[in-house]
Amino acid sequence: DADVTQTPRNRITKTGKRIMLECSQTKGHDRMYWYRQDPGLGLRLIYYSFDVKDINKGEISDGYSVSRQAQAKFSLSLESAIPNQTALYFCATSELAGLTGTDTQYFGPGTRLTVL
Amino acid sequence: SQQGEEDPQALSIQEGENATMNCSYKTSINNLQWYRQNSGRGLVHLILIRSNEREKHSGRLRVTLDTSKKSSSLLITASRAADTASYFCATAPSGNTGKLIFGQGTTLQVKP
Repeated sequence: DADVTQTPRNRITKTGKRIMLECSQTKGHDRMYWYRQDPGLGLRLIYYSFDVKDINKGEISDGYSVSRQAQAKFSLSLESAIPNQTALYFCATSELAGLTGTDTQYFGPGTRLTVL
Repeated sequence: SQQGEEDPQALSIQEGENATMNCSYKTSINNLQWYRQNSGRGLVHLILIRSNEREKHSGRLRVTLDTSKKSSSLLITASRAADTASYFCATAPSGNTGKLIFGQGTTLQVKP
């Protein structure tokens, strides 16, 4: 079974609709991240969370919100979807970096979201 | 703003040839990592090099880091068709922020 799962894998929705993307992990990691990927732009960080009570904005948080329901679950919401939010969305996890501080991240398979 | 810039954006080679990708970044880092992404799939961690290291090997992968030039390179030797993918560098900024900053990626095509 995959360590980081995302649901749904594909979603087509209309402008103005509320959308929730879900991420679950069985790796036992404290840190979770949401990214979006657009062609030619690499990955951009939307939100990240270092534990259940910690939520931080990333590079492009406008138009998005998140909820960290448990150590294993981190959801991303688009309150009112717009066409320029059409993208590939990835969830990732990492363990709390100790003195070695590797920051290695483990990615889910992605959600392809299309907003019409 | 993105910290990693990768060069070239696209690379096409024949099976058996070596592939070299370069990454430049702007600020001081704890480490630099390379990830691979098969078309439309999640990224997979390949290799990490710390700021006090200059070269690292893992199988057919060789990574170098030059902190004075703020640059890194990834060499894939004896490439295979299965190496066809996009490759991203990611930098972990100094200060243990827990975040990675990804470059735009290099798309590698290995022709059989």
